[in-house]
This record gives sequence, C-alpha cells and structure tokens, in this order.
Amino acid sequence: GDSVTQMEGPVTLSEEAFLTINCTYTATGYPSLFWYVQYPGEGLQLLLKATKADDKGSNKGFEATYRKETTSFHLEKGSVQVSDSAVYFCALSDLGAQKLVFGQGTRLTINP
Amino acid sequence: EPEVTQTPSHQVTQMGQEVILRCVPISNHLYFYWYRQILGQKVEFLVSFYNNEISEKSEIFDDQFSVERPDGSNFTLKIRSTKLEDSAMYFCASSGGQRWDEQFFGPGTRLTVL
Repeated sequence: GDSVTQMEGPVTLSEEAFLTINCTYTATGYPSLFWYVQYPGEGLQLLLKATKADDKGSNKGFEATYRKETTSFHLEKGSVQVSDSAVYFCALSDLGAQKLVFGQGTRLTINP
Repeated sequence: EPEVTQTPSHQVTQMGQEVILRCVPISNHLYFYWYRQILGQKVEFLVSFYNNEISEKSEIFDDQFSVERPDGSNFTLKIRSTKLEDSAMYFCASSGGQRWDEQFFGPGTRLTVL
C-alpha cells in the first residue's frame, strides 16, 4: 500500500538556520503530495502542496518540490524563526482515493 | 477564513461506554473524514463520507465505529463500546469547493478511555 517516510525527529535548530525535513513516499498511482503543520494545541494546517512532478509548493517561506524520480518531497526553509516550532507532517493522496496517508511527523524546535 | 470545529476538546470515558465525537465541517464542503492519532504514532485514516454514505474506510474502522451526518451541519463519529486502545486524538476534516483536494482539519478531540 501507499506509505510516507519522514526523517526522524526531533530537530532542533537556531533561529535563521537552514531547514530541511526529508520525506519520501511509495505509491501505486500518481499521488498529490502535501506538507501539514501542527502548532502546539492546534489541529493540522495545510502548509503547501504539489500535484504533479517538478511542481514546487511554497508558503510562508517554506518550499518543497515534487521529485518523481526520487519519490521525494523534502521541505526546506532558508531562515527559520522561533514561530516555526511545530510538528510537520508529510502526506500523500492517491488519485481517486480521498484519504491522506501521513508520515510519522517531525517535531521542529527553533531556539532564539 | 472558515474552519472546521470539533467538540468536545477532551472526552474521558470508561471502557465499554459509548462516545460520540462531533464535528462541524466547512459549510460548502461535500467530503468529510475522520482520522486518529494515538500518542506518539502516525495520523491514521479512519473513514471518508460523501453524499450521505461511507466512501472509504480503513481496517481500523470496524463494527464498533459509525459515522453520521444527522443534519446539514454536523458530522459525528460514534464508538459503541470503547476500548483502552481507542484512546487517541481524533481529527475531523472536510474538503470540497474550488480547493477540492485540500483537506481542512479541526483542532481534534482527545479521547481518554479508562
């Protein structure tokens, strides 16, 4: 079945550092890919998405590029802020199936 | 921006009791979902609902679970006889409209089964 694998956390960085959170997937079809973020005490919020190969999703300084050849969708940000501290989830949704399949989540802590 | 709401935020129940978790999806959405997250584990899909019927369900969603859209606004998840292992955070989500492939999540209900 479809699956998503994220890099192990937790990740701790200093403010203004460069962030990469790795995400790879396996899917039988041609999925859409998503990054969701969960701030403390809140639900999951869609951060960005990409629906086809080589698409780049971006939002709030975060970016991720849909790489079909490496089955990856790594999340990057050039300069993180303390307010980016949260849990980040990579997810996929296969064409025709409505459900989201999530990775295990990566907890990110940014220190001032 | 419209949002998905869930009640209660925290539910504590005794093993064997029935619980109903409530959700109000975004008003113009047509697809509704329930997911759960056991502490420290992945967010797992339970069920999707469209046009007043279940469109897909996971292996987790056995006969102890049911969903209902009793009126035009609420979407509920019922667990008939709770088990200890049902303790988890339950998230409702909805999708539809122009951004049809984007699911919007509620803040979750933390269910604790004692």
